[in-house]
Amino acid sequence: AQSVTQLGSHVSVSEGALVLLRCNYSSSVPPYLFWYVQYPNQGLQLLLKYTSAATLVKGINGFEAEFKKSETSFHLTKPSAHMSDAAEYFCAVSAPTGANSKLTFGKGITLSVRP
Amino acid sequence: DAGVIQSPRHEVTEMGQEVTLRCKPISGHDYLFWYRQTMMRGLELLIYFNNNVPIDDSGMPEDRFSAKMPNASFSTLKIQPSEPRDSAVYFCASSLALDYGYTFGSGTRLTVV
Repeated sequence: AQSVTQLGSHVSVSEGALVLLRCNYSSSVPPYLFWYVQYPNQGLQLLLKYTSAATLVKGINGFEAEFKKSETSFHLTKPSAHMSDAAEYFCAVSAPTGANSKLTFGKGITLSVRP
Repeated sequence: DAGVIQSPRHEVTEMGQEVTLRCKPISGHDYLFWYRQTMMRGLELLIYFNNNVPIDDSGMPEDRFSAKMPNASFSTLKIQPSEPRDSAVYFCASSLALDYGYTFGSGTRLTVV
């Protein structure tokens, strides 16, 4: 079965600083990978997805993530944090063509942005 | 498309009462998922449907929970009788495929007192 690990539960950065949210995956087949964002009192919104095309994936709101097979990672980055980026971020993995290919979500990381 | 629509947005009920949560998926999406989110347990998949048929209900906590999908545009999650530990945010999501990105609704915040 596939899984993702998001180390830590909270990241705090200053406005304008680099955002780096880490995600490592485990999958027995080449995975699909996703990042979702959840703003307070809202549902999860898809930020970006990797589905075996380009390894560097660009998403909404200036976020991007790079698929690194050798490191089994799919870290989310943004060059310059905005106050509006404060939210919870979830990494998710699926195993296309696998017997149990539904999305598996990580525990989430809360991003705080300091003025 | 209006996205995945859930109702009600908030529900407060007394212990022992029946609660019904509703979901309208995106038209054309063959998969529908029910999730529960709590601080303690995070995001949990309760059940999912494919073409209105329940496929995996292994996440349903106990017999008090039931879900139906009578047609492609409507699903319900029922809790009977409700208990305080059922207090959570319940999300519905839909998707074109099982392994692809899911679109989530805004959720129903359930409080059982």
